[in-house]
Amino acid sequence: DAGITQSPRHKVTETGTPVTLRCHQTENHRYMYWYRQDPGHGLRLIHYSYGVKDTDKGEVSDGYSVSRSKTEDFLLTLESATSSQTSVYFCAINGQTNTEAFFGQGTRLTVV
Amino acid sequence: AQSVSQHNHHVILSEAASLELGCNYSYGGTVNLFWYVQYPGQHLQLLLKYFSGDPLVKGIKGFEAEFIKSKFSFNLRKPSVQWSDTAEYFCAVTSGGYNKLIFGAGTRLAVHP
Repeated sequence: DAGITQSPRHKVTETGTPVTLRCHQTENHRYMYWYRQDPGHGLRLIHYSYGVKDTDKGEVSDGYSVSRSKTEDFLLTLESATSSQTSVYFCAINGQTNTEAFFGQGTRLTVV
Repeated sequence: AQSVSQHNHHVILSEAASLELGCNYSYGGTVNLFWYVQYPGQHLQLLLKYFSGDPLVKGIKGFEAEFIKSKFSFNLRKPSVQWSDTAEYFCAVTSGGYNKLIFGAGTRLAVHP
């Protein structure tokens, strides 16, 4: 398995609280991504990064922000969690063009 | 914008039956295509990929897929499924640079002994 660690693996939080999810890689890959997985929707891209301090929005970015201050870490922040953000969040990494992405184990987030 | 359609949301098969899962994408330009599998409670793992060349791609665990450019399709096949193939299967295509993936909604496969 690729060296990707997501933390925490499970979290329950209250509506309106800030939440930060962490993705850490040991592969020195350039590209990192955050997806959310919801039944009937597959995985949808939230934000991605193509280098340190270089990030951009994906398909479902509203309510989320990201930061990448080091190659190995990509943080996803929910500024004020809502129930609609209850989901499973996956981090992925990719090294270069025409290669496959590798996924982390996922973080199950429940907003109550 | 690119989109991916998986036609079967739930498939139930008996062991040794043949499997074919449909996948169509919308954009007609150069694409990279993937099938990922997610076993219960686990992360996504790559089954197979297509970048160029032979349109018939062989992956792990006896799976294969055929890229048909004229039909914008990348269907997944396995001649004889096993109980251990019970999982959710996702078709995905790269879109818009930076290797971003667009996923289909997934197909849940249940294989009964």
